[in-house]
Amino acid sequence: RKEVEQDPGPFNVPEGATVAFNCTYSNSASQSFFWYRQDCRKEPKLLMSVYSSGNEDGRFTAQLNRASQYISLLIRDSKLSDSATYLCVVTSLGFQKLVFGTGTRLLVSP
Amino acid sequence: EPEVTQTPSHQVTQMGQEVILRCVPISNHLYFYWYRQILGQKVEFLVSFYNNEISEKSEIFDDQFSVERPDGSNFTLKIRSTKLEDSAMYFCASIGSVQSFSGNTIYFGEGSWLTVV
Repeated sequence: RKEVEQDPGPFNVPEGATVAFNCTYSNSASQSFFWYRQDCRKEPKLLMSVYSSGNEDGRFTAQLNRASQYISLLIRDSKLSDSATYLCVVTSLGFQKLVFGTGTRLLVSP
Repeated sequence: EPEVTQTPSHQVTQMGQEVILRCVPISNHLYFYWYRQILGQKVEFLVSFYNNEISEKSEIFDDQFSVERPDGSNFTLKIRSTKLEDSAMYFCASIGSVQSFSGNTIYFGEGSWLTVV
């Protein structure tokens, strides 16, 4: 089983749509969870951290389910500028490494 | 906003040649990383570096690779004898605190695109 799994997509949605991505991780000892955004041939950029209680940042909501070992990201009112690849990132105890999922590609069309 | 800088942005090298990729992490950061991303594939962990030594490395990071922090500011990745399959984007990253990860941001450099021909 892969350490971090994501549906690669692409998810094609119209502007204004709500879209949700899921991510599962295999290491139950994982401690910290993040969603990163990556534009084509650019570096990953932190979108948001994911907390156990769930957290929201504007149009973005992240949830963590430790029992089922999955993380989700919900994007409301999609914008054209949301088109990118969304990377699920998990760390193990300490900060030795981040493990990236393959990413889910989102295409928002007019 | 603080930033991690990487040089070169793009390098073309012949198979078998040595390559050094350079990174200047954010000045007060303590943990440094190298990641690579082959075109169209996922971001893969190579190595983490803390307190002037390797903290963890992946199976990709074999004897062909080495890292060092020669002068307290630069953080370099050396690939001794490049292979075609080393062609990828190499990202350097750093983080400030090792006490509390939550709430800290890992900063990535813009990447060095290596093409081996």
